[in-house]
Amino acid sequence: GAGVSQSPSNKVTEKGKDVELRCDPISGHTALYWYRQSLGQGLEFLIYFQGNSAPDKSGLPSDRFSAERTGGSVSTLTIQRTQQEDSAVYLCASSFRRTNEKLFFGSGTQLSVL
Amino acid sequence: QKEVEQDPGPLSVPEGAIVSLNCTYSNSAFQYFMWYRQYSRKGPELLMYTYSSGNKEDGRFTAQVDKSSKYISLFIRDSQPSDSATYLCAMSQNTNAGKSTFGDGTTLTVKP
Repeated sequence: GAGVSQSPSNKVTEKGKDVELRCDPISGHTALYWYRQSLGQGLEFLIYFQGNSAPDKSGLPSDRFSAERTGGSVSTLTIQRTQQEDSAVYLCASSFRRTNEKLFFGSGTQLSVL
Repeated sequence: QKEVEQDPGPLSVPEGAIVSLNCTYSNSAFQYFMWYRQYSRKGPELLMYTYSSGNKEDGRFTAQVDKSSKYISLFIRDSQPSDSATYLCAMSQNTNAGKSTFGDGTTLTVKP
């Protein structure tokens, strides 16, 4: 596609429910990142996929958060038993390779947990 | 204390003004420094990328890095209403820019 695509753009859920957020990176990009951006805050790194290597999960805030990347392309971020503090914008970015400084971001998913 | 501190703003300037956006950091291992622009409801877009100390210019934008003071700046000359956005500084220890540490952003409004 033309850019990084994220869906849904907005998600409202009830506390305790599970949510899945999707990221479709630019075709051919081997590196994919997930971030969380709370209101008025910078980006908080969550998880990083590079090709077929094991993901770098060092930024995941709790075991309620997990992510998969199927076939080296589409990625899904899952948040189980959502809490109100999970409310934030979840951004995905991809790049051609790990050492490429140019990241391409999607427009994010605004998650609201009521 | 955060590793990266960014002037919080918000900042409001008239069209044509010179804008200075600043970040300080505490981790001396940072070697790569970036500035991103983020429009409302959009993802960040890389503006400037610099390695180590020095200046880098791209059109109306100039990035400065002073590693001895642990201080970086982004200057915007002849600011335009289209420059109105949130600007995020970011820095990393290696070339994996995706694992950068980000500032909280400064929101800039350029008034016509």
